[in-house]
Amino acid sequence: QQQVKQSPQSLIVQKGGISIINCAYENTAFDYFPWYQQFPGKGPALLIAIRPDVSEKKEGRFTISFNKSAKQFSLHIMDSQPGDSATYFCAARDKAAGNKLTFGGGTRVLVKP
Amino acid sequence: EAGVTQSPTHLIKTRGQQATLRCSPISGHTSVYWYQQALGLGLQFLLWYDEGEERNRGNFPPRFSGRQFPNYSSELNVNALELEDSALYLCASSRGIQETQYFGPGTRLLVL
Repeated sequence: QQQVKQSPQSLIVQKGGISIINCAYENTAFDYFPWYQQFPGKGPALLIAIRPDVSEKKEGRFTISFNKSAKQFSLHIMDSQPGDSATYFCAARDKAAGNKLTFGGGTRVLVKP
Repeated sequence: EAGVTQSPTHLIKTRGQQATLRCSPISGHTSVYWYQQALGLGLQFLLWYDEGEERNRGNFPPRFSGRQFPNYSSELNVNALELEDSALYLCASSRGIQETQYFGPGTRLLVL
């Protein structure tokens, strides 16, 4: 049962462009939504995170938009750079269900120079 | 501040054997989580330990087990290895039950 659906599976963007990754969830008990960036052969690194009482959060070139009523959230990477080429995972946490993170399937982003 | 460390980086075993993977959390973190990242299956939650106790378990068979030591480091044991256990095993830690989990580089387990 996939509780967090992530799209697209892969994405190619030109340098300087905008990368947009979307996630949707069903469980309204989720209370924390982090995004992780993973390079080949490495563990996921926390990129940015948001709580459902906030509609948008920006950190540098990375922005999360959160739509609680639609149960959707998205990651925008502005001015994409070749160094942003990685796999991105959205996740959601249900504290009452034991603090585990439920991950989306991942999006492989390739930024072309 | 040192990050989460895991050992070994790579492990090769044969079917039926046992594997032991180790994790040291960030200093000050008391919670340790284990995830499996198998090819094509994304990250799946395995186990959560906090203050030496198993707090939650994912949908994995009992041959996946572990423990947390008094210094908060943790060990994941996989018994009776099967080919489909081949995956990257990731450990994460957090300060208590706070939201943010920080991941280690993982142990890549290959079962032949």
